Amino acid sequence: DAKTTQPPSMDCAEGRAANLPCNHSTISGNEYVYWYRQIHSQGPQYIIHGLKNNETNEMASLIITEDRKSSTLILPHATLRDTAVYYCIVRVAPNYGGSQGNLIFGKGTKLSVKP
Amino acid sequence: DAGVTQSPTHLIKTRGQQVTLRCSPKSGHDTVSWYQQALGQGPQFIFQYYEEEERQRGNFPDRFSGHQFPNYSSELNVNALLLGDSALYLCASSFLTGAGDEQFFGPGTRLTVL
Repeated sequence: DAKTTQPPSMDCAEGRAANLPCNHSTISGNEYVYWYRQIHSQGPQYIIHGLKNNETNEMASLIITEDRKSSTLILPHATLRDTAVYYCIVRVAPNYGGSQGNLIFGKGTKLSVKP
Repeated sequence: DAGVTQSPTHLIKTRGQQVTLRCSPKSGHDTVSWYQQALGQGPQFIFQYYEEEERQRGNFPDRFSGHQFPNYSSELNVNALLLGDSALYLCASSFLTGAGDEQFFGPGTRLTVL
């Protein structure tokens, strides 16, 4: 079972920041928080991941609380193309030798960006 | 640089038949994972291949089997198809680095079992 809890759906106005929350209260010390999104009829797309520090890349920012029990994915200026299902996933760090932790998806948050 | 490719795009089979789905990983990637996504659900992990061996397996019956070739491409085989096997089958490839890994997904194969 997924180790995360996300709201089933959210709306966001185009051009505004989209803040997607995720609860992972049982996260272990060696587990990372990963975010993927899936646009309709496409395969999931990697967005960002982090362990305990906040992370930022060209797509989004990831804010992880100090106790690591929750996180927020921030899309700073949402566009209509950001409409998708967003998945928050907790997984162990992949190890060398091929023992890479698989991704356990929940149902995610369906984000609708509206004009 | 081609991303992850999967074939065929769509497939229709009848109950009891066997099916083979194919995946070519992103250039430079050496690990392939397969996922099953039923309608309205998140993807479910089937298994993962690295160095031509199955390294991890999810909660799927032995009817689901796979193979990885020396060029890192992979096949997913499903025997004795059931109606419940109808789903989008996703392949993901990755390459482990010191910074972790991100899995790149293909567009999927839509399997319909009648």
